[in-house]
Amino acid sequence: KAGVTQTPRYLIKTRGQQVTLSCSPISGHRSVSWYQQTPGQGLQFLFEYFSETQRNKGNFPGRFSGRQFSNSRSEMNVSTLELGDSALYLCASSEFGTDTQYFGPGTRLTVL
Amino acid sequence: AQKVTQAQTEISVVEKEDVTLDCVYETRDTTYYLFWYKQPPSGELVFLIRRNSFDEQNEISGRYSWNFQKSTSSFNFTITASQVVDSAVYFCALNNNAGNMLTFGGGTRLMVKP
Repeated sequence: KAGVTQTPRYLIKTRGQQVTLSCSPISGHRSVSWYQQTPGQGLQFLFEYFSETQRNKGNFPGRFSGRQFSNSRSEMNVSTLELGDSALYLCASSEFGTDTQYFGPGTRLTVL
Repeated sequence: AQKVTQAQTEISVVEKEDVTLDCVYETRDTTYYLFWYKQPPSGELVFLIRRNSFDEQNEISGRYSWNFQKSTSSFNFTITASQVVDSAVYFCALNNNAGNMLTFGGGTRLMVKP
């Protein structure tokens, strides 16, 4: 099976803009989670989607949002970008009934 | 609240040395799951192992072994006869069975020199 894919891999935006990141889970996986990785805060959970519903949410402002489609693909959106949003955004998927998450290569977002 | 602590931020060893990465966790839940992931320079987190809170058996997989001790809330990872390809950042993580929401430790950067 193909692994988790994320697009784009690299992105440069300016403050105030918005951005949408995409994640395609491993075939058959219905749960998709998003994480933010920064040098200062480490790896932090953003949210999890399962069957198009947000099941869990981390402690991030409302500027961070996401959604999941019927084919389990997921997108996350960050509006009104701030410099501190510069990070590696990782997506992970898991099979129904399991909690082992398999990660994609990430999208590296730079906000100027 | 859950917490995972990896006190060693960076470890440097010479190839063929054994090395142990420490992980200490805090949780009030009786059912939980512990994980180790490897992050090479490419950035992708690679799954290594999952252990549930009711299974304290140690596990060995090739040069890798894991020691889970509930009494000390620790889940340590040992690499035997380290190799240069083991150089990466290693993360310990905790899931309290409330969905797929991992709490990660700060990571340990392992450098294996030839």
